Amino acid sequence: VQLQESGPGLVKSSQTVSLTCTVSGGSINSGGYYWTWIRQYPGKGLEWIGYIYYSGSTYYNPSLKSRLTISRDTSKSQFSLNLRSVTAADTAVYYCARGDGYNYADKWGQGTLVTVSS
Amino acid sequence: HSVLTQPPSVSGAPGQRVTISCTGTNSNIGAGYDVHWYQHLPGTAPKLLIYRNTYRPSGVPDRFSGSKSGASTSLAITGLLAEDEADYYCQSFDTSLSGWVFGGGTKLTVL
Repeated sequence: VQLQESGPGLVKSSQTVSLTCTVSGGSINSGGYYWTWIRQYPGKGLEWIGYIYYSGSTYYNPSLKSRLTISRDTSKSQFSLNLRSVTAADTAVYYCARGDGYNYADKWGQGTLVTVSS
Repeated sequence: HSVLTQPPSVSGAPGQRVTISCTGTNSNIGAGYDVHWYQHLPGTAPKLLIYRNTYRPSGVPDRFSGSKSGASTSLAITGLLAEDEADYYCQSFDTSLSGWVFGGGTKLTVL
């Protein structure tokens, strides 16, 4: 299984960041996996953003819940992140990952840098 | 700030052993949730190093080992190699978040 993020690298403040993760070599609607978004701030810290379960249920970080939507397109083997009303604090490298039922990420994408400009 | 606590940096000479601690609270590690460790080289995808406290994925050398005692866990690396120089993160599940939490990361320098 391989994961690859895609999306714009530069977004203006107050707009929406839309990222897509394309999964190859496996199905996103089987296997009991959590298809996950994680971000890494410029200062190094990692933050769990949320995930969409193989069944379609979603789970979000409470700190982002009001601005966040994670969705999927099983026909394209993709899952996506929409983060609304972004600010400079949302500048980070965004990773998509496959989460195991024991709550760890066993596969990661390479990451994509999103910079929020004013 | 990160929910799990790790030292910012550790160092060791080639061939030596180092340990990286990861401390949580009663809503994550102390509640019995597993801890997982990742190795991250800048510009690359993080790599799963240890899962469920002590298990190594296929391909990870047995120089890497994990342990857990109560709300504290640690990663040990023996026989240090220059290629081990990287950032290491611990991660667990947190009941107050109903999601994953990470440590702040530890930079390992091989002297």
